Amino acid sequence: DAKTTQPTSMDCAEGRAANLPCNHSTISGNEYVYWYRQIHSQGPQYIIHGLKNNETNEMASLIITEDRKSSTLILPHATLRDTAVYYCIVRLVNRDDKIIFGKGTRLHILP
Amino acid sequence: KAGVTQTPRYLIKTRGQQVTLSCSPISGHRSVSWYQQTPGQGLQFLFEYFSETQRNKGNFPGRFSGRQFSNSRSEMNVSTLELGDSALYLCASVGQASTDTQYFGPGTRLTVL
Repeated sequence: DAKTTQPTSMDCAEGRAANLPCNHSTISGNEYVYWYRQIHSQGPQYIIHGLKNNETNEMASLIITEDRKSSTLILPHATLRDTAVYYCIVRLVNRDDKIIFGKGTRLHILP
Repeated sequence: KAGVTQTPRYLIKTRGQQVTLSCSPISGHRSVSWYQQTPGQGLQFLFEYFSETQRNKGNFPGRFSGRQFSNSRSEMNVSTLELGDSALYLCASVGQASTDTQYFGPGTRLTVL
C-alpha cells in the first residue's frame, strides 16, 4: 500500500502558485519524499525529492515539515501545461526499495 | 543522453495470446522496473531487474514475467492474455547513486480484445 495520502483533485488559476499537499505520517528517518507528475498518457516525470530540508529546482519547490509527516510541492507560477496527476511517494534511501505509487492529485490549471 | 525507450508504443492482442514488451534504459542505468497502469488500479509495480537478476516483485500472477539482458535492456512477457491486462505498461530505469530517481519511458499501450 502507498504510504502517502493526497487530495484527489485540486484547481489552480493560471499564473498563481499551485500548492499540493501530501501526508506521510508514518515516514521513517531513512525515507525520502519524491514527487512525480504524469501528463495524460505519458510516462511519469520526476520533479523533485528531499529528505528533511526544503528543496528547490527549476521546476518546483518542496517544503517538508519539521516532523517530516507532511510536505507541500509548490509550482510557483502554474501554466496550463502543468495540468497533470501529481504523485507524492516515500522511498527508502536504499535503492533496493520498490516504489509504490498512490492515486495522486489531479491538478487542473484554470485559464 | 537518450531517455528510456519502449517498444512497441501500441499493441492490440486477443485473449489467450501472449505478448512481449521491450524496454531500453538510459545508457549506464542497470536497474529497470516495470509498472502496469489502469484507470481503476492506478500505477502498480510489477517487478524490478538489476544486473540481469530480479530484485523486487509486485503482486501479479505468474503470467507476468520479465528478464534483463547483459546490456540492461529488459523485456516483460504476459502469457494467456486476459481482458483485464489492457493497460499502459511503463518501464523506468535508475542510475547508480543511492538517491538517483527513476526515469520513465513513454509506455506501451496494450489493448486486449
